[in-house]
Amino acid sequence: DVKVTQSSRYLVKRTGEKVFLECVQDMDHENMFWYRQDPGLGLRLIYFSYDVKMKEKGDIPEGYSVSREKKERFSLILESASTNQTSMYLCASSLYSGGTTNTEAFFGQGTRLTVV
Amino acid sequence: SQQGEEDPQALSIQEGENATMNCSYKTSINNLQWYRQNSGRGLVHLILIRSNEREKHSGRLRVTLDTSKKSSSLLITASRAADTASYFCATHTNAGKSTFGDGTTLTVKP
Repeated sequence: DVKVTQSSRYLVKRTGEKVFLECVQDMDHENMFWYRQDPGLGLRLIYFSYDVKMKEKGDIPEGYSVSREKKERFSLILESASTNQTSMYLCASSLYSGGTTNTEAFFGQGTRLTVV
Repeated sequence: SQQGEEDPQALSIQEGENATMNCSYKTSINNLQWYRQNSGRGLVHLILIRSNEREKHSGRLRVTLDTSKKSSSLLITASRAADTASYFCATHTNAGKSTFGDGTTLTVKP
């Protein structure tokens, strides 16, 4: 069974803290993605990566960075958490097939982050 | 309106009825995908339809794509209470850009 695992389901952090969200996939997928999901705004892409040590900005990268040191792991970093980063964060992975979005994406269960 | 916008926002039906959700988009696409999300969980892929396809079936799901109208529909036949979830369409362009809509919240009453 394919699996994308996010390290936490729920997280509460204080404003200004550095926050790490971890995502691991066991499918040997090249592509990995980080989204945030907010009511009325749908899913918005923060960053994606199509290979180890490669990263590309999505639609809303400000305030975030990512790290992909190993193929199976994609980390999202909030350098200095702010209350407007309170959201549901979703990690996904997919197989590279001539493009980053030509195949189905497998999602993790999500991390609901609250910044107080 | 946004790329990959679902309609209606919410749909409530009785078990056994069919549910139809629509998705409209603005730019040319490589493929369109439908996903399902149970409350507070991640998304689960349902079906992918490519720009050169017009219709696809998977079990009780039927997806159509009309590239001239830039729209897609998802039909769930003989709905069950377990189909209660939010359904999202995601459009994917040749440039590798993907866009998700806000989703349609489906409630199936037993």
